[in-house]
Amino acid sequence: QVHLLQSGTEVKRPGASVNISCKASGYTFTRYYINWVRQAPGQGLEWMGIIGPGDGSTSHAQKFQGRVSMTRDVSTSTVYMELSSLRFEDTAVYYCTRETDGFDVWGQGTVVTVS
Amino acid sequence: SALTQPASVSGSPGQSITISCTGISDADGYKSVYWYQQHPGKAPKLIIYHVSNRASGVSIRFAGSKSGNTASLTISGLQAEDEADYFCNAYSTTNMHVVFGGGTKLTVL
Repeated sequence: QVHLLQSGTEVKRPGASVNISCKASGYTFTRYYINWVRQAPGQGLEWMGIIGPGDGSTSHAQKFQGRVSMTRDVSTSTVYMELSSLRFEDTAVYYCTRETDGFDVWGQGTVVTVS
Repeated sequence: SALTQPASVSGSPGQSITISCTGISDADGYKSVYWYQQHPGKAPKLIIYHVSNRASGVSIRFAGSKSGNTASLTISGLQAEDEADYFCNAYSTTNMHVVFGGGTKLTVL
């Protein structure tokens, strides 16, 4: 069964960084891109960026330029997303999602509160 | 949002509704459209990919289409369980970036 398991809830101060993990299972990790999408309370979905687990290549939305970093560990089938210089408006649920024909598998979400 | 959706739509059980998603421009390199359903407190679920293909396990009551710069999601035979938020999504082959619509809240009366 294909599954993405994310790390747990985070509470951070403004200016701090948060690192969220996303562990894949049930498929060949290096075969499909992983995207990061966030959702602020009561708001819509916002695409943050993408990582290719095979070669580690990344691309991100211009909005997060200089603040977001995505990495992966092939040995553990895990991708990581670090967001730095946190602001109150970064409070959101952060999702990792596998990209095949669309985003077909989603993690359970990680709640990040900046307070 | 780069893609525009109505904030809300509603319908009675058994009726059909359509949710639009505008701004999908070929000039911007948007080559396909996807739709997601999200129930409160849950992760989104893919329901339509490549404009009109139903994802695995999705009811035939869900149908996607596209005309010009506007994509549409039609849900027929509305059921109470269809009450959720729906998001359209497109991918640009020009800059490999992804955009979402602002989302539409479907209320089943």
